[in-house]
Amino acid sequence: NAGVTQTPKFQVLKTGQSMTLQCAQDMNHEYMSWYRQDPGMGLRLIHYSVGAGITDQGEVPNGYNVSRSTTEDFPLRLLSAAPSQTSVYFCASSTGLAGGPLEQYFGPGTRLTVT
Amino acid sequence: AQKITQTQPGMFVQEKEAVTLDCTYDTSDPSYGLFWYKQPSSGEMIFLIYQGSYDQQNATEGRYSLNFQKARKSANLVISASQLGDSAMYFCAMREETYFISNFGNEKLTFGTGTRLTIIP
Repeated sequence: NAGVTQTPKFQVLKTGQSMTLQCAQDMNHEYMSWYRQDPGMGLRLIHYSVGAGITDQGEVPNGYNVSRSTTEDFPLRLLSAAPSQTSVYFCASSTGLAGGPLEQYFGPGTRLTVT
Repeated sequence: AQKITQTQPGMFVQEKEAVTLDCTYDTSDPSYGLFWYKQPSSGEMIFLIYQGSYDQQNATEGRYSLNFQKARKSANLVISASQLGDSAMYFCAMREETYFISNFGNEKLTFGTGTRLTIIP
């Protein structure tokens, strides 16, 4: 199992550009989520999905879009990048089942810089 | 709204000593879970330990134990016999679980701001 994979590892964007951060998992997990990590602020939830076709907003959703067409993939789209979106982005997944493994599995992260 | 507070931005501990990382939480949900994650300098998030709010005993995983004091709303991580490889950021996180049981898939985590632990040889 590859677990949770994220691409790219690093990305530099100019203000106003758009891009998609990719996330995939091969553990057949129903629940997937995106977090951003900023210095001194811990991880904050951007969007999450409880299964294919079902997504919802987290704590800091503005400026980001998601969709979930398959169980495996959960891409995060930045529509018009802003310097405030400079951050490290983590994708996570879990079984979403009561009684299953308790933890969320995190990807290696994508470091995004917006200039 | 749920909240996690980690009041120690940084700690320095001598190798082989025990260390306690503080975590307090606030929630109105009667059922919740508390997690600790480790983030080494390489950046990945590593799950360490979990404590459910209705668990009767404190959770333990190898050298990690969770000192859960429900009345004080604290969930401190204790690392026994610290090693140089324990140097990392440590995050406390909480998941509200009342709806997790009945509504399949509610696994939103709220994180604290973290504690940077440095082990001194």
